[in-house]
Amino acid sequence: DIQMTQSPSSVSASVGDRVTITCRASQGIRSWLAWYQQKPGKAPKLLIYAASSLQSGVPSRFSGSGSGTDFTLTISSLQPEDFGNYYCQQANSFPLTFGPGTKVDIK
Amino acid sequence: EVQLVESGGGLVKPGGSLRLSCAASGFTFSSYSMIWVRQAPGKGLEWVSSISSSSSYIYYPDSVKGRFTISRDNAKNSLYLQMNSLRAEDTAVYYCARDEGGGSYFFDYWGQGTLVTVSS
Repeated sequence: DIQMTQSPSSVSASVGDRVTITCRASQGIRSWLAWYQQKPGKAPKLLIYAASSLQSGVPSRFSGSGSGTDFTLTISSLQPEDFGNYYCQQANSFPLTFGPGTKVDIK
Repeated sequence: EVQLVESGGGLVKPGGSLRLSCAASGFTFSSYSMIWVRQAPGKGLEWVSSISSSSSYIYYPDSVKGRFTISRDNAKNSLYLQMNSLRAEDTAVYYCARDEGGGSYFFDYWGQGTLVTVSS
């Protein structure tokens, strides 16, 4: 099974800050990676797929990069509505696996 | 508008069974792979099962294999999860979600979730 790790586990930042979240796969997954945002009590929302493709309707301040084992989600200018948990997910092989999540708080 | 609405959750005793349903609308259901994902209280996301558009390909993680069965009825635009031999560790919110296309296993639309509680 492919294990996904994320760092940091939590981040507190101010509005306007640049926030970077890292996801690492235990083996190469090419670009088969997605990023989701989840707010408390709500379903996850797809932000980025195929490592760097922005999902329709998602603000351009979100971007993804990476391939192989190391990936990054960047929020270029943090907005108040960006609080929540962020999860990476690999789609390279079954079982599909998610990272443990990164909690983003607004200072 | 794409909508996914789960139902069928509730309280069940260990060893019991439950069948979850997911009603889809707003898209051509028969053209998309679908999945179930669960989230235990206060925990992260865990993939539970996947089914291709024509039910030809079905996958489970070891944690539910042999106990859970995914199925779909394309005529009824519905996805199902039959859960047997339930354990306390199966307690979670269960979400259905749609593959964004082409069997990529990235998921672009999610239901609101249904809570399953396994407890005596």
